[in-house]
Amino acid sequence: GAGVSQTPSNKVTEKGKYVELRCDPISGHTALYWYRQSLGQGPEFLIYFQGTGAADDSGLPNDRFFAVRPEGSVSTLKIQRTERGDSAVYLCASSPRQGNYGYTFGSGTRLTVV
Amino acid sequence: AQSVTQPDIHITVSEGASLELRCNYSYGATPYLFWYVQSPGQGLQLLLKYFSGDTLVQGIKGFEAEFKRSQSSFNLRKPSVHWSDAAEYFCAVGAGNNAGNMLTFGGGTRLMVKP
Repeated sequence: GAGVSQTPSNKVTEKGKYVELRCDPISGHTALYWYRQSLGQGPEFLIYFQGTGAADDSGLPNDRFFAVRPEGSVSTLKIQRTERGDSAVYLCASSPRQGNYGYTFGSGTRLTVV
Repeated sequence: AQSVTQPDIHITVSEGASLELRCNYSYGATPYLFWYVQSPGQGLQLLLKYFSGDTLVQGIKGFEAEFKRSQSSFNLRKPSVHWSDAAEYFCAVGAGNNAGNMLTFGGGTRLMVKP
């Protein structure tokens, strides 16, 4: 596609529920990143994929968070047993290759846990 | 580990006035430095970046930034602000290697423009 697409744009869920957030990167981009932006803060790195594999997941806050990219294109960020502190905007970005800072960011998914 | 500080949380300037947004970074080697802009409900848009070479870099929308190694700074400037520049601005640093190219962002500066 023309840009990085994230769905849904907004998600409201109850505490304790499971959610999935989807990212559709620019076609041909091999690197994909997830960031989390809490209210009033800058984005914070969560996880990075090069192709299908998670090359660096050091930013995932705990084991309730997991992400996959099974075919090297679309990625899904999964959050189990959501907590109110998980409320944030989750941003996805892709770039043409490793070693390239040519990020294109999506518009994000605003997650609200009530 | 690298870090970025944006000392000003909010800045208000009059339309047509000059602008400088401050950014200080901490990183042990030569950093890769970036400025992004985020409008409400929008993704982050890259304004400019510094990798090496000339320390004064030009970006889109009339913005420029200057890398000062001695001050660990990468301040963003614009000579004349337009009302459409009102947004949130983020400075970021990259590790400067091929290990994934993750970015560390500052907390952001919200720019308001008075008519």
